[in-house]
Amino acid sequence: AQTVTQSQPEMSVQEAETVTLSCTYDTSESDYYLFWYKQPPSRQMILVIRQEAYKQQNATENRFSVNFQKAAKSFSLKISDSQLGDAAMYFCAYRSMIYNQGGKLIFGQGTELSVKP
Amino acid sequence: EPEVTQTPSHQVTQMGQEVILRCVPISNHLYFYWYRQILGQKVEFLVSFYNNEISEKSEIFDDQFSVERPDGSNFTLKIRSTKLEDSAMYFCASSETPGHHYFGPGTRLTVT
Repeated sequence: AQTVTQSQPEMSVQEAETVTLSCTYDTSESDYYLFWYKQPPSRQMILVIRQEAYKQQNATENRFSVNFQKAAKSFSLKISDSQLGDAAMYFCAYRSMIYNQGGKLIFGQGTELSVKP
Repeated sequence: EPEVTQTPSHQVTQMGQEVILRCVPISNHLYFYWYRQILGQKVEFLVSFYNNEISEKSEIFDDQFSVERPDGSNFTLKIRSTKLEDSAMYFCASSETPGHHYFGPGTRLTVT
């Protein structure tokens, strides 16, 4: 079974600085998706960025980028120019590409990011 | 932009009562999911639904839980006899393919 691990329960960053959130996963599959979701205090789940495992190029979305290391099974999220609105819980998630598995997401434990003004 | 909606936003119920949580997925989506998040914990998969049947369910999704798509637009999660430990945030999600999920805003269930 696949697992996702986020080893940093809490992180803090100064406004305008850069922060990196870590995520590792375990799978025997070669094709899959990885995601980062943001959960602000409203508890809405918001997709931040996604990465297809077959793509070597790291995904970027404005100030958000990932460092995807497939061999190391590592998927970190870098937030550049941090803003107060980035403060939230961040979840890393895995999804198999095997369709008969229904496409469920497997989440890590989350990292609570605080942004200091 | 289309969105997934969930009702109610907050439900309070007594232990042993039945509750139905409702979701309206995005209209052209074919895959539907329920997740739950106990306060302060990670999001856990409950069940996925495709072509009017359950495609996968977790160990959490026992006989007390059921899902239904009664009218082609709503997607419901029923808990037959609620327990204190069912108190959680319940998220519905839908996707066009088994691709990335569009999550609803969640229903906070409080069992007293």
